[in-house]
Amino acid sequence: GAVVSQHPSRVICKSGTSVKIECRSLDFQATTMFWYRQFPKQSLMLMATSNEGSKATYEQGVEKDKFLINHASLTLSTLTVTSAHPEDSSFYICSALLAGSNEQFFGPGTRLTVL
Amino acid sequence: DAKTTQPTSMDCAEGRAANLPCNHSTISGNEYVYWYRQIHSQGPQYIIHGLKNNETNEMASLIITEDRKSSTLILPHATLRDTAVYYCIVRVSGSARQLTFGSGTQLTVLP
Repeated sequence: GAVVSQHPSRVICKSGTSVKIECRSLDFQATTMFWYRQFPKQSLMLMATSNEGSKATYEQGVEKDKFLINHASLTLSTLTVTSAHPEDSSFYICSALLAGSNEQFFGPGTRLTVL
Repeated sequence: DAKTTQPTSMDCAEGRAANLPCNHSTISGNEYVYWYRQIHSQGPQYIIHGLKNNETNEMASLIITEDRKSSTLILPHATLRDTAVYYCIVRVSGSARQLTFGSGTQLTVLP
């Protein structure tokens, strides 16, 4: 149990296009999901906290108009990278907080490459 | 959350025990020690956590010193598949906040 999936696992896009990444909790409900970004040879950095039914909370330095987050249900959060540029190329990872507990489960990550 | 310090990298021979240290000298009384690992190009995986007693599960053992200022994660019989970055994280249990990852320890298991 407690499986989190991400789709797609890998995406290549042209500069200026938008890319949507889905994060799903497959067998549990998650009122809170977190989005992280990881550049090569670096650690995970939190981008935003996504709460079901409300606006996401973004970390300092993360543009909310560029990284659109929607958490419309207890099992799905989406991250849309708008007008992607090569510097947005990174490994994007989500985690889901098991409702009623503090246990977090991570997705497998999405590798985004912007040409 | 308290800051942690880990060695940048460690090697271990396959089949031997891997002992990964972590210093958390500013840990508070209500903070737990969590360990996660991240295999290359995958999401982090939970390993184990503890407050002050030693803990063991099917993956690893966690030894926490009596003053709780440091801990050691033990993989009893390391395999090549245990090669990963291991993160030691200190946080309050029951917290719904995000996990804060440091730089971790790159463990390389050698054949």
